[in-house]
Amino acid sequence: NAGVMQNPRHLVRRRGQEARLRCSPMKGHSHVYWYRQLPEEGLKFMVYLQKENIIDESGMPKERFSAEFPKEGPSILRIQQVVRGDSAAYFCASSPAEPTSGRDPYEQYFGPGTRLTVT
Amino acid sequence: AQKITQTQPGMFVQEKEAVTLDCTYDTSDQSYGLFWYKQPSSGEMIFLIYQGSYDEQNATEGRYSLNFQKARKSANLVISASQLGDSAMYFCAMRLNNNDMRFGAGTRLTVKP
Repeated sequence: NAGVMQNPRHLVRRRGQEARLRCSPMKGHSHVYWYRQLPEEGLKFMVYLQKENIIDESGMPKERFSAEFPKEGPSILRIQQVVRGDSAAYFCASSPAEPTSGRDPYEQYFGPGTRLTVT
Repeated sequence: AQKITQTQPGMFVQEKEAVTLDCTYDTSDQSYGLFWYKQPSSGEMIFLIYQGSYDEQNATEGRYSLNFQKARKSANLVISASQLGDSAMYFCAMRLNNNDMRFGAGTRLTVKP
């Protein structure tokens, strides 16, 4: 049972280019979360999506950033016109639609992250 | 305010000794979950241990144990018999309602041979 998959694992972009980060949730999970980790900091929530719906985008910068989770395919975090300050690790997590009987009913499972470097 | 605090930016421990990493949290929710993750230099987030707010016993997972003191709102991680491979960043996290996850700033643990 594959875990959360993210690609690419490393992405280098020049200032002004676009960055597209992809996340495939665990099988059976329909909720996706994106987090950003700046160097030497903890993870900060960006956006929470369900299939075809943005549920909470309170952590997303107002400009240049967008996220989607289409009916088919992975979730995409898109950063337009990247700047050096966008350099960070971006983590995706997924959870099932309903509470589970696992260790935490709403546990999020994390992908390996995408490291974005803007030159 | 709902937040989680790790006050130790860095910690050192001698190999084979035990170490405690501090974590305090603030929430008015009655139901919440507390997690510890390890982040090695390779960057992935590795789940270590979980404590539910209604769990009366402290969680244990191998060499990891969680010292949960609900009244004090603390959830310290204890690593026994430290190994060189334990050197990493450690993050405490709190799951509030069904989708709100907050992370502390992390503690960098260095295990000395």
